[in-house]
Amino acid sequence: NAGVMQNPRHLVRRRGQEARLRCSPMKGHSHVYWYRQLPEEGLKFMVYLQKENIIDESGMPKERFSAEFPKEGPSILRIQQVVRGDSAAYFCASSPPIREGKKTQYFGPGTRLLVL
Amino acid sequence: AQSVTQLDSQVPVFEEAPVELRCNYSSSVSVYLFWYVQYPNQGLQLLLKYLSGSTLVESINGFEAEFNKSQTSFHLRKPSVHISDTAEYFCAVSDGNSGNEKLTFGTGTRLTIIP
Repeated sequence: NAGVMQNPRHLVRRRGQEARLRCSPMKGHSHVYWYRQLPEEGLKFMVYLQKENIIDESGMPKERFSAEFPKEGPSILRIQQVVRGDSAAYFCASSPPIREGKKTQYFGPGTRLLVL
Repeated sequence: AQSVTQLDSQVPVFEEAPVELRCNYSSSVSVYLFWYVQYPNQGLQLLLKYLSGSTLVESINGFEAEFNKSQTSFHLRKPSVHISDTAEYFCAVSDGNSGNEKLTFGTGTRLTIIP
């Protein structure tokens, strides 16, 4: 059973470009979470999605950031018009349906975004 | 709102010595508690978790943590550390009442094992 997959692992963008980060959850998992880790800091929650629904986006910056988890395909975190402050590691986590009661998130290896 | 405090940003320990990594949390509701480990340039791996029941939880590699509700703590301990334990350790909480399992993390503790 493959783990959570994220691609690309490393992404370099110039200021003003768009960054598109992908996350494929573990098989059977219907919940996806995105977190951001700034240098020398802990992870900060950004957004929680289920298939075709955004459940909680309280951690998302109000502008330039968006996320989706379509019925088919991976979850996408999109950052428009990137700025240097967006440079960070972005982690995706997935969890099984709540009814399974496992309460555990499984993390991907992360995408390290560098904005020049 | 929830918060997690890891007071020690770095902890150096000699090999085979015991270690304790401290974690305190603040929450107005019941919580689930987690310790994750992050090796360099990798994602987070779940080390152990407390959901309910016995307040002492153990991992397969010798770590243990005890949930102390009165002190709002969930300190991580290991009686004898190994070089391979060198990593960053994150304590995290989630709301134990809602279906939203988003995690609130501490700032992490970097454990360095000295040979």
